[in-house]
Amino acid sequence: DAGVTQSPTHLIKTRGQQVTLRCSPKSGHDTVSWYQQALGQGPQFIFQYYEEEERQRGNFPDRFSGHQFPNYSSELNVNALLLGDSALYLCASSLGGVEAEAFFGQGTRLTVV
Amino acid sequence: SQQGEEDPQALSIQEGENATMNCSYKTSINNLQWYRQNSGRGLVHLILIRSNEREKHSGRLRVTLDTSKKSSSLLITASRAADTASYFCATRGTNTGFQKLVFGTGTRLLVSP
Repeated sequence: DAGVTQSPTHLIKTRGQQVTLRCSPKSGHDTVSWYQQALGQGPQFIFQYYEEEERQRGNFPDRFSGHQFPNYSSELNVNALLLGDSALYLCASSLGGVEAEAFFGQGTRLTVV
Repeated sequence: SQQGEEDPQALSIQEGENATMNCSYKTSINNLQWYRQNSGRGLVHLILIRSNEREKHSGRLRVTLDTSKKSSSLLITASRAADTASYFCATRGTNTGFQKLVFGTGTRLLVSP
């Protein structure tokens, strides 16, 4: 049973460019959340998708957008990249419920130069 | 902003010793979860403790929760070099929506052989 998979693992982009990160949830999970983790910090919640809708959003600008597909996989898009967007982007999946455990992927390391 | 604060920020011990990490948070929670992260990779779920629980065990891990003090502790007994990692607490609040996790700043644990 595959866990949460993210692609790509590493990415280098130039300031001003756009990037798309992808996530496949753990089998059977219907909810996907995205987090940004800056170096030396804890992860910060970006947004969560359930039934192809954004259900909750953290304190991130509109440059950050996402999508969830019918098979529950998800994309995170970031437009007009800034140097400060350099971070580890983590995807987490879970199955319903407030008490559900969240399983994380290995992350995508984004470097903006 | 981060809700949780972990203490200490860094901890260095010898193999076989116990390691204790503390987490404090600010608002009412539904549950609190502990995660491990190796070298900036994905987060591994360790244990979930509900707000109505005071203590929970899993193998060499023991977690306590004191909701009156808004604090939790993670004890790793008989530590091993493989336990070297960063440890994060994450809370799921009662008023922060469905499944958003709010992470602390983490404790970096180094276990020397």
